[in-house]
Amino acid sequence: QQQVKQSPQSLIVQKGGISIINCAYENTAFDYFPWYQQFPGKGPALLIAIRPDVSEKKEGRFTISFNKSAKQFSLHIMDSQPGDSATYFCAASLSTDKLIFGTGTRLQVFP
Amino acid sequence: DTGVSQNPRHKITKRGQNVTFRCDPISEHNRLYWYRQTLGQGPEFLTYFQNEAQLEKSRLLSDRFSAERPKGSFSTLEIQRTEQGDSAMYLCASSFPRVGTEAFFGQGTRLTVV
Repeated sequence: QQQVKQSPQSLIVQKGGISIINCAYENTAFDYFPWYQQFPGKGPALLIAIRPDVSEKKEGRFTISFNKSAKQFSLHIMDSQPGDSATYFCAASLSTDKLIFGTGTRLQVFP
Repeated sequence: DTGVSQNPRHKITKRGQNVTFRCDPISEHNRLYWYRQTLGQGPEFLTYFQNEAQLEKSRLLSDRFSAERPKGSFSTLEIQRTEQGDSAMYLCASSFPRVGTEAFFGQGTRLTVV
């Protein structure tokens, strides 16, 4: 019940395309859903986050779509750029508790 | 640099040796977390502190692992009698204890047990 399932494991997108990563959770008590971006040899860095009282949040080229009834949320990267090539992790948490991470999606954007 | 700082960045040790890692959080943050990340996986929670109090420990944290945060500032994670399965990236993060607040991660300590 504490798991967060993430797909796909890897994603190859052409420059300018849309990258979509999906996550699903079981615990309906989760109330904070962040996405982290991680480059090789670096720690994860927060990209964008959403609370369950909204269905969508957009920050620049990054959008989270949240479906509370389906217990799913997704990250959309519009106009994907080679610099977006990284590993992306969805996560969920209970209030101020620890983060439960997905298994990650390795995104490669080719020019 | 006002981010989360971890030392050392890399550690190679022989099986059976003890190792200690240090984390210096962002100074205003009273929450400090330790996570472990193995290759191709997401970070897994190990333990966290609010100020100097250790509030939760994961089942992943065997009795060979101990973490401290004296005076609620920096934290240390010690692994005794290291095993090859301990090889991983150990990540530290800090945050304020508020709903929806960002957890800032350090660059991690890469441990290799040979």
